[in-house]
Amino acid sequence: DIQMTQSPSSVSASVGDRVTITCRASQGIDTWLAWYQQKPGKAPNLLIYGASTLQSGVPSRFSGGGSGTDFTLTITSLQPEDFAIYYCQQSKSFPLTFGGGTKVEI
Amino acid sequence: EVYLVETGGGLIQPGGSLRLSCAVSGFNVSNNHLSWVRQAPGKGLEWVSVVYIDDRTFYSDSVKGRFTLSKDTSKNIVSLQMNNLRAEDTAMYYCARYRRAAAGWGVFDVWGQGTMVTVSA
Repeated sequence: DIQMTQSPSSVSASVGDRVTITCRASQGIDTWLAWYQQKPGKAPNLLIYGASTLQSGVPSRFSGGGSGTDFTLTITSLQPEDFAIYYCQQSKSFPLTFGGGTKVEI
Repeated sequence: EVYLVETGGGLIQPGGSLRLSCAVSGFNVSNNHLSWVRQAPGKGLEWVSVVYIDDRTFYSDSVKGRFTLSKDTSKNIVSLQMNNLRAEDTAMYYCARYRRAAAGWGVFDVWGQGTMVTVSA
């Protein structure tokens, strides 16, 4: 199985800050990586796929990068609605696996 | 409008069975991949199963042999039959569309609101 490790597990930030979350795969996954945002009591929401392609409707302050084993999700100028938990997910092979999540909090 | 509605969750004793359904609106299950992802209380996301357009199904090791995913194209629903349930199956179960690209990646781009399954005596 491909293990996905996110860091940090939580980050404290303020509105307007730049936040970067890292996701590392236990083996190479090309760019078969997605990022999701989940708010309390809600289903996850797809942000980025193919490591760096923004899903339709997602604000441009979100960006993704990386390939192989190391990936990043960056939020420039954090907004109040961005405080949530973020997950990475690989689709290189079954079982599909998620990272443990990164909580972005005030 | 595209949306998914899950039903069938509830409280069940260990060893029992439950059948979850996911009603799909706005697209056809016949030409989309559908999946289940679960989330234990206070925990992260765990992929459970997917059914492809060609009816191939894949399962996580934790549910293989106990869960069965199927689809009914006439009703436009997918169903997850869960047998021999364990306490560790307690979770919110989300139905999601699994979109795959020719480039290879796959993502869950549409999600339902989830249905809670609690396995407890």
